[in-house]
Amino acid sequence: GENVEQHPSTLSVQEGDSAVIKCTYSDSASNYFPWYKQELGKRPQLIIDIRSNVGEKKDQRIAVTLNKTAKHFSLHITETQPEDSAVYFCAASISAAGNKLTFGGGTRVLVKP
Amino acid sequence: EAQVTQNPRYLITVTGKKLTVTCSQNMNHEYMSWYRQDPGLGLRQIYYSMNVEVTDKGDVPEGYKVSRKEKRNFPLILESPSPNQTSLYFCASSFSSGGTGELFFGEGSRLTVL
Repeated sequence: GENVEQHPSTLSVQEGDSAVIKCTYSDSASNYFPWYKQELGKRPQLIIDIRSNVGEKKDQRIAVTLNKTAKHFSLHITETQPEDSAVYFCAASISAAGNKLTFGGGTRVLVKP
Repeated sequence: EAQVTQNPRYLITVTGKKLTVTCSQNMNHEYMSWYRQDPGLGLRQIYYSMNVEVTDKGDVPEGYKVSRKEKRNFPLILESPSPNQTSLYFCASSFSSGGTGELFFGEGSRLTVL
């Protein structure tokens, strides 16, 4: 089955700096890659996703890049703010496999003011 | 308000005492799923359901049961809980059953098995 590895497990950045989280996946058939943000004590919520026919996608200060050849994808947060402090999860799925979404282990991001 | 509701939110129980965590969604979603969250392991899928009366195992189904008798409800059953099932559990639903739709999560149920 699919295996998703996520790095780093913790990330501390100064407010205003950029944060980058990287994920690798094992199944070359995976074609959907969402990112979820989980604030402390809250539920995970989708912040951005990308599909295999796209190499990059941006939404304000958040961007995701996908390299299908290398089987890795990354989340980039620019101009970080204290409200970006949270745990971020990457995930991968194969659309034909009945919505079997596999998550990475998570990255705890702390933005220091 | 569109939501996924789980109950109970917190539960402390003892080994072997059967328990059920309920999950209900009001978005008419066909797909529902259960995850457990443990530190460093991310979210691991326990069971999922593509539609009424259709359920399938996820990555960590041992010790759990589910049922999907109605579209809106997807309870998680622990027939004989053990301490290694101490975890934070999330129910989620999605409009898409093809693996590419946004998952809407419940608020989570923190279970402690003594």
